[in-house]
Amino acid sequence: EVQLVESGGVLVQPGRSLRLSCEASGFTFDNYGMHWVRQAPGKGLEWVSGITWNGGNVRYADSVKGRFTISRDNAKKSLYLQMNSLRPEDTAFYYCAKGTLDWLPTYFDYWGQGTLVTVSS
Amino acid sequence: EIMLTQSPATLSLSPGERATLSCGASRYVSSSYLAWYQQKPGQAPRLLIYDASNRATGIPDRFSGSGSGTDFTLTISSLEPEDFAVYYCHQYGDSQGALTFGGGTKVEIK
Repeated sequence: EVQLVESGGVLVQPGRSLRLSCEASGFTFDNYGMHWVRQAPGKGLEWVSGITWNGGNVRYADSVKGRFTISRDNAKKSLYLQMNSLRPEDTAFYYCAKGTLDWLPTYFDYWGQGTLVTVSS
Repeated sequence: EIMLTQSPATLSLSPGERATLSCGASRYVSSSYLAWYQQKPGQAPRLLIYDASNRATGIPDRFSGSGSGTDFTLTISSLEPEDFAVYYCHQYGDSQGALTFGGGTKVEIK
C-alpha cells in the first residue's frame, strides 16, 4: 500500500524558515518524480514544486521561486521542502504527491494527508 | 502558464441525478494531459480521471471524462451520496511552465 506521510508543519513568524518532510513507503521511491501541492484553508489547489526521480531537475511555481527549495533523499525514501522568507500568503496545507513517471508530464496518483503551515506574527 | 476555469462553481443536485462539470483551458492542453480529482472535507484529493478520459484504479464507471484541446468535461452519470464533494481539474501538458489546477466545482446536495 502506497503511503505518503508529511511532517514539519507549524506556526511560524513571517520571514522565518521551515523544512517540511514527506516519508514514502509502499512503492519504489526512486522510480518516480515527486511534488508538493498546497491548499490555503478553504481555497483551491496550487502546485508548488516538483523534482525528478534522481533530483537532477526541479521546477517551481513563480509564487515560491527563489524562496523554496525541493530536494529528496532516495536512500531514506524522503522528500523535502525547504521554505525560506515565509509570508502570510504561504499559509496552507502542504501535500506531498507522487508522480506517475520519473518526471513530466505527470498527474498525481497518490497524495499524503497534508501538513499545515501557518505563517503569522 | 495555462489557466484552467471550472464551471459552475457550485452544482446543486439530488442523488440519482446526472452531474456535468466543465473545465476550460486558456491554451491548448497537449495530448489531453488533463486529470480530475475529488476532494472531501478534511481529506486529501483523490485521483479520478487521467489523460482526459481514463478512469483511475478503483474508480466507479459512473465517473467519466471527455474532451480535448481547451474544453474538458467530467460527468457523474447518477450521483451517489458519497459523490458530494469538490472536484478539481488539473493540466500537466505544459512542458515549460507550471502544473495548474482549476478553481474547483462543489457538488452539493439540493
